Amino acid sequence: QVQLVESGGGVVQPGRSLRLSCAASGFRFSTSGMHWVRQAPGKGLEWVAGISYDGSDKHYADSVKGRFTISRDISKNTLYLQMNSLSAEDTAVYFCAKDRGVLLTFFDYWGLGALVTVSS
Amino acid sequence: DIQMTQSPSSLSASVGDRVTITCRASQGISNYLAWYQQKSGKVPELLIYGSSTLQSGVPSRFSGRGSGTEFTLTISGLQPEDVATYYCQEYRTVPYTFGQGTKVEIE
Repeated sequence: QVQLVESGGGVVQPGRSLRLSCAASGFRFSTSGMHWVRQAPGKGLEWVAGISYDGSDKHYADSVKGRFTISRDISKNTLYLQMNSLSAEDTAVYFCAKDRGVLLTFFDYWGLGALVTVSS
Repeated sequence: DIQMTQSPSSLSASVGDRVTITCRASQGISNYLAWYQQKSGKVPELLIYGSSTLQSGVPSRFSGRGSGTEFTLTISGLQPEDVATYYCQEYRTVPYTFGQGTKVEIE
């Protein structure tokens, strides 16, 4: 069955960096688009970034553009999110999500999430 | 960016009631709309995509319809296990956006 396991979350000071990882299994990672979606405490869902099956197409939310970078390593079946210049507004649970298709559409499987807390 | 507006923000209904949630897009998105259910403390789950196609394993009491800018999610016969927050999401254009969510409770 599809499994998505996020790691790398934690407490980080404002202005610092953090990298999240998402280990994927149970499906053909090399032919699936992938996304990061976040949810601030007590708030709704916010799409953060998406990457096409081959990594050639990447898109970001305006709120993270220029600070976050999504990438994937097909040899390791792993999705990444490099987060730089973090601020308190980035505090959230970050979900890794599998796209239904090869490009970018909607999300048919989600990981359990990784909590990122930006605080001094 | 496309804005998605859900209504109501919350509702309370009785078991067996028919419940309808509306999602409006700030511009036309054809049928590029998905619905998710998130129970308290849990991960979101895909209910419907393509505005009206039920994801495998989702009970048939859930249905979706709409095209363009107005969409609805209907629960025909609310069950206690349907208590959750429901979100719509457009995937016509990046950056993708979610509605703000509708919290459904049992009276």
